[in-house]
Amino acid sequence: NAGVMQNPRHLVRRRGQEARLRCSPMKGHSHVYWYRQLPEEGLKFMVYLQKENIIDESGMPKERFSAEFPKEGPSILRIQQVVRGDSAAYFCASSPARVGEQYFGPGTRLTVT
Amino acid sequence: GNSVTQMEGPVTLSEEAFLTINCTYTATGYPSLFWYVQYPGEGLQLLLKATKADDKGSNKGFEATYRKETTSFHLEKGSVQVSDSAVYFCALRNLLNSGGSNYKLTFGKGTLLTVNP
Repeated sequence: NAGVMQNPRHLVRRRGQEARLRCSPMKGHSHVYWYRQLPEEGLKFMVYLQKENIIDESGMPKERFSAEFPKEGPSILRIQQVVRGDSAAYFCASSPARVGEQYFGPGTRLTVT
Repeated sequence: GNSVTQMEGPVTLSEEAFLTINCTYTATGYPSLFWYVQYPGEGLQLLLKATKADDKGSNKGFEATYRKETTSFHLEKGSVQVSDSAVYFCALRNLLNSGGSNYKLTFGKGTLLTVNP
């Protein structure tokens, strides 16, 4: 059973460009969580999604950030008009249930130049 | 709110040395406590967990005991190996989070451990 997959693993964007981060959950998991790790910080919750629904986006910045988890395909975290402060590691986790164990992907390291 | 404070790294040890990584937390009620490990180039893996006071989580020679009186969950291993080199994260999940957000994990900043042969 493959683990949580994230791609790309490394992404470099210039200021003002868009970044799209993809997360494929483990087979059978319909709950996806995104966390962000800024330099010198711990992972911080961003958003919780189930198939086709955003359950909790309280940790997402109000502007430029959006997330989706369509019926088919991976979950996408989208950052529009990136700024240097968006440089971070973005981790996706999936679980089989709302309060189940969360299994993490390897992360996408976004660098904004 | 919930918060986790863990020992600043990096920690460098020789093989077979004793390891302690301190972790303390702030939370209302009775959170579940976790240690995650991240090996180079990989995702976070759950190392061990404890769900109530005085529980001891253990795995791969690592142990941590849930101490409610000191709000701590220190990670220990009696004899580290080179293969234990990784980043270790302490985390909590609070089933009493308001609004039912009991799925959120709150993490410490991580501690980089390097074990030299």
